[in-house]
Amino acid sequence: EPEVTQTPSHQVTQMGQEVILRCVPISNHLYFYWYRQILGQKVEFLVSFYNNEISEKSEIFDDQFSVERPDGSNFTLKIRSTKLEDSAMYFCASIILREKGEQYFGPGTRLTVT
Amino acid sequence: AQTVTQSQPEMSVQEAETVTLSCTYDTSESDYYLFWYKQPPSRQMILVIRQEAYKQQNATENRFSVNFQKAAKSFSLKISDSQLGDAAMYFCAYSVRGGATNKLIFGTGTLLAVQP
Repeated sequence: EPEVTQTPSHQVTQMGQEVILRCVPISNHLYFYWYRQILGQKVEFLVSFYNNEISEKSEIFDDQFSVERPDGSNFTLKIRSTKLEDSAMYFCASIILREKGEQYFGPGTRLTVT
Repeated sequence: AQTVTQSQPEMSVQEAETVTLSCTYDTSESDYYLFWYKQPPSRQMILVIRQEAYKQQNATENRFSVNFQKAAKSFSLKISDSQLGDAAMYFCAYSVRGGATNKLIFGTGTLLAVQP
């Protein structure tokens, strides 16, 4: 069964460093998402992406964040200058069509900022 | 603004028994989806069940069923014949059908413990 994959599974970085989190959505899916979950808290929407552009972003998704689909398979989230409060689990999700409803999640990348 | 509320931070159930997790939501939309996602200790988000608001019939997936009360904006999850593998965090989630992005809005979760 096709699945969303994410790399790395765990990334440790120093405050102020740039990180790139990578996702490979399911191949025929058209809509892509990033969510964040700070430990012990709920899952929060960051950004949605369709047709090579951002379709919606939350207030969390400030100028430090960017997303890109550099080729036909990868979908990346970049944090330019990480802060301690960026430490969280980051989930990528995809959906084939908006009408289908359910999003398929990757296993997540645990980001630790020291 | 749409919100999702899960009022039970923790629940416990005996193996083989039935448990119900509560979820309420607030929206002015008439057409939307509701979901229950399971998050085991691995933190992977696993879809358990989904409900389309325009369908009156409650969704069922094996031992999992929902009680969808649209007028009351309530969406509870019933787990029958609970198994040890059901122990996890359960999140209720909402998205607008046909919206610009279908982003998911999550509740704060219910941590379910299953006692042997």
